[in-house]
Amino acid sequence: QSVLTQPPSVSAAPGQKVTISCSGSSSNIENNYVSWYQHLPGTAPKLLIYDNNKRPSGIPHRFSGSKSGTSATLGITGLQTEDEADYYCGTWDSSLSAGVFGTGTEVTVL
Amino acid sequence: QVQLQESGPGLVKPSETLSLTCIVSGGSISSHYWSWIRQPPGKGLEWIGYIYYTGSTNYNPSLKSRVIISLDTSKNQFSVKLTSVTAADTAMYYCARGADVLFDPWGQGTLVTVSS
Repeated sequence: QSVLTQPPSVSAAPGQKVTISCSGSSSNIENNYVSWYQHLPGTAPKLLIYDNNKRPSGIPHRFSGSKSGTSATLGITGLQTEDEADYYCGTWDSSLSAGVFGTGTEVTVL
Repeated sequence: QVQLQESGPGLVKPSETLSLTCIVSGGSISSHYWSWIRQPPGKGLEWIGYIYYTGSTNYNPSLKSRVIISLDTSKNQFSVKLTSVTAADTAMYYCARGADVLFDPWGQGTLVTVSS
């Protein structure tokens, strides 16, 4: 059972914006960096955001990350059909001494 | 760029040992941390553990008693062994570069089913 909670699904029309929340606690999100991953079934998960808000080379600017307290948020602006995928947050949990991931959010482009 | 590819049996019998290998290409394994992550069908991702190129390891406490991660620098690959498997270990297994928070890149994954 994941210690990080995400909404099961979010949706929006092409060109619109979606935000995905990742709720945790003081033992994980509040005191550790957060990463975000995009996963299309059957493919390798892709790193979208690291260190809370940094984008790796090649990731479009329309993907953004933020963190406040025990929660983190992934934002996707200018939604495109190719953004339909599952999205996961991840961080370290100091109490569990383990890497942990969120429950995952399915993004649907209407 | 660095690419990872998992390999190993797709079917393992209950109580036996699951063994998978991750071949690293496009870069040397003799740097960075290297991890295994799994995803049971219909469920979320679970971090299994990592190995540093020096050989030091860190495992998820929930699996620590059953897992060993090792690396072979001569073959530029690293491996995971999970003992005493049950149906609950059925999952897509991914290898990735990274330790505990930042994983990049990932392999495409390999499905392991535990069944008699």
